[in-house]
Amino acid sequence: DTGVSQNPRHKITKRGQNVTFRCDPISEHNRLYWYRQTLGQGPEFLTYFQNEAQLEKSRLLSDRFSAERPKGSFSTLEIQRTEQGDSAMYLCASSFTGQTEAFFGQGTRLTVV
Amino acid sequence: RKEVEQDPGPFNVPEGATVAFNCTYSNSASQSFFWYRQDCRKEPKLLMSVYSSGNEDGRFTAQLNRASQYISLLIRDSKLSDSATYLCVVTTSNTGNQFYFGTGTSLTVIP
Repeated sequence: DTGVSQNPRHKITKRGQNVTFRCDPISEHNRLYWYRQTLGQGPEFLTYFQNEAQLEKSRLLSDRFSAERPKGSFSTLEIQRTEQGDSAMYLCASSFTGQTEAFFGQGTRLTVV
Repeated sequence: RKEVEQDPGPFNVPEGATVAFNCTYSNSASQSFFWYRQDCRKEPKLLMSVYSSGNEDGRFTAQLNRASQYISLLIRDSKLSDSATYLCVVTTSNTGNQFYFGTGTSLTVIP
């Protein structure tokens, strides 16, 4: 399967714990996006990388959130000191410069208890 | 004001019906427009791009009205398998290339 891959698919964590998610984009794609989606809402933009450079961050991305894409390939999203309000589906997408379509991974569903 | 606004529905229609969704966007500098489909607990997938001249793909027709800043999706001869949430998506040139999503419109096609 050469699509966007996200791990883990599901994560249950206790409030206050740190979690890290991984996204492997389609191999030739230089752009990578993180979105968050809650029930009944469309995906909300969190951050965007072009190669290894993080070019945009949403105001939604508080200081507890950090994303990296160290080699311009896979990316990680870390949430520190998780809160119940962080419970959501975290979606990763990738695209290629000049190509307007974004391809999404299946997401990581986070539940904070 | 949200970048993209959609009527969340739900739309419940019988098989064979024609249904139309509309979406408005706030930034006149928006560049590209799409409809994505999202099944329950699945990731969004591109349904079709939307061009200024309008475009059709089988039973689906998308149209863009730049002057009024709205996008539409028409589904003819609805099938049970069309039941899903339809997301209106816009990219805006002056904020990079992030994709702005509407909240989605829920469609259920009833036998």
